[in-house]
Amino acid sequence: ELKVEQNPLFLSMQEGKNYTIYCNYSTTSDRLYWYRQDPGKSLESLFVLLSNGAVKQEGRLMASLDTKARLSTLHITAAVHDLSATYFCAVEPWGGGADGLTFGKGTHLIIQP
Amino acid sequence: GAVVSQHPSRVICKSGTSVKIECRSLDFQATTMFWYRQFPKKSLMLMATSNEGSKATYEQGVEKDKFLINHASLTLSTLTVTSAHPEDSSFYICSARDSGGRLTKNIQYFGAGTRLSVL
Repeated sequence: ELKVEQNPLFLSMQEGKNYTIYCNYSTTSDRLYWYRQDPGKSLESLFVLLSNGAVKQEGRLMASLDTKARLSTLHITAAVHDLSATYFCAVEPWGGGADGLTFGKGTHLIIQP
Repeated sequence: GAVVSQHPSRVICKSGTSVKIECRSLDFQATTMFWYRQFPKKSLMLMATSNEGSKATYEQGVEKDKFLINHASLTLSTLTVTSAHPEDSSFYICSARDSGGRLTKNIQYFGAGTRLSVL
């Protein structure tokens, strides 16, 4: 059974600071997603990481994937208030095509002025 | 990017009624769609996998008679919550897997979700 552990689950930080959210998973996978969710809304796709060593950046967010360590990180640079949201990582099992995603519990991020 | 349309976005119904939720892939074909459920302040949990032209595969603990899934075409899957009760109140989100496309194949795209409130 694929398990996805995300930490921290709650993060309060000040604007301008840097921080990293970690996503560990338990079985082989080469496809990992990061999503943002605002209260009462659906998921907004941030990144899709499709191979070992993949690194993607969009604005103040950067995501990376290490399939050997079964670890993905979402790094926030110089945080701003607008980035306050809940962030989920989700993993697709190796050879996926017939399997849904297994989500982490989410990181509730609050960025204070 | 690929678009998945989910309808309705919100529904309020009386206990005992049935509610149908539609999930459409608008600009790509999806032989596989997925239905997820999210309780307040919780993560998403996969309920079932919907396969075009065949029976859905349900996750352990999900009642197939309660949550009827039909995937009659390559662009449409429906989830019907039968005889809904207050405990079925939740946020239901579908995703569709792009069956083709060199760059986008097998990537999942999510709908906007349906918030179900059963009174």
